Amino acid sequence: AQKVTQAQTEISVVEKEDVTLDCVYETRDTTYYLFWYKQPPSGELVFLIRRNSFDEQNEISGRYSWNFQKSTSSFNFTITASQVVDSAVYFCALSGAHDYKLSFGAGTTVTVRA
Amino acid sequence: DVKVTQSSRYLVKRTGEKVFLECVQDMDHENMFWYRQDPGLGLRLIYFSYDVKMKEKGDIPEGYSVSREKKERFSLILESASTNQTSMYLCASSFPRGPRNRGQPQHFGDGTRLSIL
Repeated sequence: AQKVTQAQTEISVVEKEDVTLDCVYETRDTTYYLFWYKQPPSGELVFLIRRNSFDEQNEISGRYSWNFQKSTSSFNFTITASQVVDSAVYFCALSGAHDYKLSFGAGTTVTVRA
Repeated sequence: DVKVTQSSRYLVKRTGEKVFLECVQDMDHENMFWYRQDPGLGLRLIYFSYDVKMKEKGDIPEGYSVSREKKERFSLILESASTNQTSMYLCASSFPRGPRNRGQPQHFGDGTRLSIL
C-alpha cells in the first residue's frame, strides 16, 4: 500500500520568510512518482511538480524548490521569500508505475501574513 | 491548457435525495477520478474510470456510484444522500499509464462543495 505523510498541519509565516513543507512517503514499488499540488482558497488543485523515483536531482522553479531524498523517503518543498499569494493548502501525492491512482497526504495549510 | 469543469460549485440537498455531480474534461483524457476532501484527511478516492463504461472502486466507494457513458463526462451519484456525505468533491482527469505517458499528473476541477441537510 502507498502512504503519504505530511506531518505539518498548519504553518504560518510572515511575508519574505522561507517555508519548508515536509513530505514522507511509503511504497513497495521500485518505480513511482511524487507530486506536489497547491490548493488556493478558490478550491482548484493546481499541479506544481512531478518527480520520478529514478531522478533524485533537486529542482528549482522560481521561488519554489524541491528536495527529493530517496534514502529517507522524503520529498520536501521549500518556498523562498514567501508572498501572500502563496497562502494555500499544499498536498504531496504518490503513485506507482502501474497504478492510475494518487495517494494524497493530509495537506499542509500555509498562511503568509503581510 | 486542460480544462476540467464541474457542474456546480455549491450544492445543498436533503437526506435521502439522489444527487448527481457532473464532471466534463476537454483534453480527451482516458482516466477520470472522483475524490472527496475532508479536513485532516486529504483527498480520498471514491471511484475512477479508465475508459468509457469502465469503472473501478477507490478507497471509499460505499454510498456512491458512477457513470461514464462518454469519454469526456464522468458522473458521481449519491444514491441516497446522507449527512456524512457533506464534503468537498473533486473531479480529475489524466492520460493513462503507458510507456509514453508514465507518471502523468492529474488535472482537477474547481470542486463542488456539497451540503446534505
